[in-house]
Amino acid sequence: ETGVTQSPTHLIKTRGQQVTLRCSSQSGHNTVSWYQQALGQGPQFIFQYYREEENGRGNFPPRFSGLQFPNYSSELNVNALELDDSALYLCASSSQINEKLFFGSGTQLSVL
Amino acid sequence: DQQVKQNSPSLSVQEGRISILNCDYTNSMFDYFLWYKKYPAEGPTFLISISSIKDKNEDGRFTVFLNKSAKHLSLHIVPSQPGDSAVYFCAARKPVGNEKLTFGTGTRLTIIP
Repeated sequence: ETGVTQSPTHLIKTRGQQVTLRCSSQSGHNTVSWYQQALGQGPQFIFQYYREEENGRGNFPPRFSGLQFPNYSSELNVNALELDDSALYLCASSSQINEKLFFGSGTQLSVL
Repeated sequence: DQQVKQNSPSLSVQEGRISILNCDYTNSMFDYFLWYKKYPAEGPTFLISISSIKDKNEDGRFTVFLNKSAKHLSLHIVPSQPGDSAVYFCAARKPVGNEKLTFGTGTRLTIIP
């Protein structure tokens, strides 16, 4: 059984650019959630996808968008990057909504 | 608006002693609480949870206590081991149908050999 994998592990972008982060959910899991963890903070909920549909969104602007694919893998896209977008982005999968979350190791994004 | 608060950024405990990590919440709609543990360069891993209908849940060395009237929960680790050194996050969730976990800012626990 493979766990949640995220790519890339580290990424450096400049302000105004766009970025795509990827996540492969754990085998058998159909729900994917994305969280942003800024330095010294706890993870903050961005959104969740269940069976390819967005199923809830946190307090993030529309330039944060996502996709879930038929194999339940997922992408997080961020447009018009800002310096404050620098953070660890965590993907988590679960077998159903409200079930225990299994987190990946995250993508560390630096915006210069 | 920090709805889940962990007021101790760090805690050091001697190996073999009890570690007590605290968490306070403000939103009375939360009905399910979780603790996650995070090592550097890894994602958070689930440790233990408790439903609001209980006041205690135990799993091996880990026990979580919930005081609903005080909106306070704590994680007890007995006995503490060097491998317990990590950042611990408290998280809370509203009733079924709401997918979002609200996390605290974390407490860095260091176990001193």
